[in-house]
Amino acid sequence: DTAVSQTPKYLVTQMGNDKSIKCEQNLGHDTMYWYKQDSKKFLKIMFSYNNKELIINETVPNRFSPKSPDKAHLNLHINSLELGDSAVYFCASSQSPGDYGYTFGSGTRLTVV
Amino acid sequence: QKEVEQNSGPLSVPEGAIASLNCTYSDRGSQSFFWYRQYSGKSPELIMFIYSNGDKEDGRFTAQLNKASQYVSLLIRDSQPSDSATYLCAVNIGDFGNEKLTFGTGTRLTIIP
Repeated sequence: DTAVSQTPKYLVTQMGNDKSIKCEQNLGHDTMYWYKQDSKKFLKIMFSYNNKELIINETVPNRFSPKSPDKAHLNLHINSLELGDSAVYFCASSQSPGDYGYTFGSGTRLTVV
Repeated sequence: QKEVEQNSGPLSVPEGAIASLNCTYSDRGSQSFFWYRQYSGKSPELIMFIYSNGDKEDGRFTAQLNKASQYVSLLIRDSQPSDSATYLCAVNIGDFGNEKLTFGTGTRLTIIP
């Protein structure tokens, strides 16, 4: 009974392709996030949604487009993939912005070749 | 200056000893501080949070916060090999409603049997 689930777990794709990562949480949290963890293990926020509304949009190329159809889901679509997009992408959720700690999904390892 | 700074390590500690992990942060207005543990290939997992100056104990873990010095630490007593992981310090930074959890680069801890 996974709290925050991401699919797929692994994604290998060629440069220039478009891909999506899906995230769902069953914790009843209002806020969801996308983080990127690079090869040096640095975790950096990309986007945050609170109850389907975008509240944080860090300096991310506009090839990355998040979508939140409802507060339990936050998907990430990436257009025209580049080699530098290779990383582990983590979805996370929290009860509200700034509250408590986050619950992370298991991550999606994206490899662009 | 990075928003959250940690010594990347690696930090090696003999089994049964105390492991001490340190973190400094730049935003004086930060109110919430977290320690996450991340095993290799896994997602970050919340192990401690602290909001007030002083010490907070939970089992073998003690978090210490000094807001005047903008310093937060994690002590692990009676270290076990299963404590070997990367420990991420995280600080909630931003205005109310737009907070984001900002991570340090993590300290890799190895407990030597």
